[in-house]
Amino acid sequence: AQTVTQSQPEMSVQEAETVTLSCTYDTSESDYYLFWYKQPPSRQMILVIRQEAYKQQNATENRFSVNFQKAAKSFSLKISDSQLGDAAMYFCAYRKRTYSGAGSYQLTFGKGTKLSVIP
Amino acid sequence: ETGVTQTPRHLVMGMTNKKSLKCEQHLGHNAMYWYKQSAKKPLELMFVYSLEERVENNSVPSRFSPECPNSSHLFLHLHTLQPEDSALYLCASSQGTALRGPYEQYFGPGTRLTVT
Repeated sequence: AQTVTQSQPEMSVQEAETVTLSCTYDTSESDYYLFWYKQPPSRQMILVIRQEAYKQQNATENRFSVNFQKAAKSFSLKISDSQLGDAAMYFCAYRKRTYSGAGSYQLTFGKGTKLSVIP
Repeated sequence: ETGVTQTPRHLVMGMTNKKSLKCEQHLGHNAMYWYKQSAKKPLELMFVYSLEERVENNSVPSRFSPECPNSSHLFLHLHTLQPEDSALYLCASSQGTALRGPYEQYFGPGTRLTVT
């Protein structure tokens, strides 16, 4: 079974600074996707960034980038130039890529990291 | 309406009540999901409907009953719930085919359920 671990329950960052959120996972699959989701107080879970395991290049989306270390099964999220709107719960999630029926696309989530942004 | 919508946003019910949660997606997806989000726990997948196939987490009690009448609508019927069932219930949708695409899941805003 796959597991996702986020070891930092809470983090804080000064506005305009950079913060890195950690995530490790365990899987026996070689082909999978990793995601970072953001859940602000409004509760709507929003996809931040996606990484395909078969790609060596780290994904980036504007101020958000990841450090994907496949051998170490590590997938950290870096937020640059932090803004007040970045304050939220951040969830790391895993999904295998191989299709084997309806349950294939279920996401396995970590417990989340609560990020606070200090003005 | 766009994206994934859920109603109601808040629900308080007694342990003997019967209620239903509704989810609707406007994204043309063909897979829908129910997740339970409890404090200090990872999101827990409860049910998946994809291309008329249903998959369920075996740990979900029978007092939760899903219904998916078509690819755009998903219901979660609740009956004789327990206080520990109080949580945020999230609905999500995605493409769900045998192709190997990323098929991100798009989430609704959730229903905050309180069982008294």
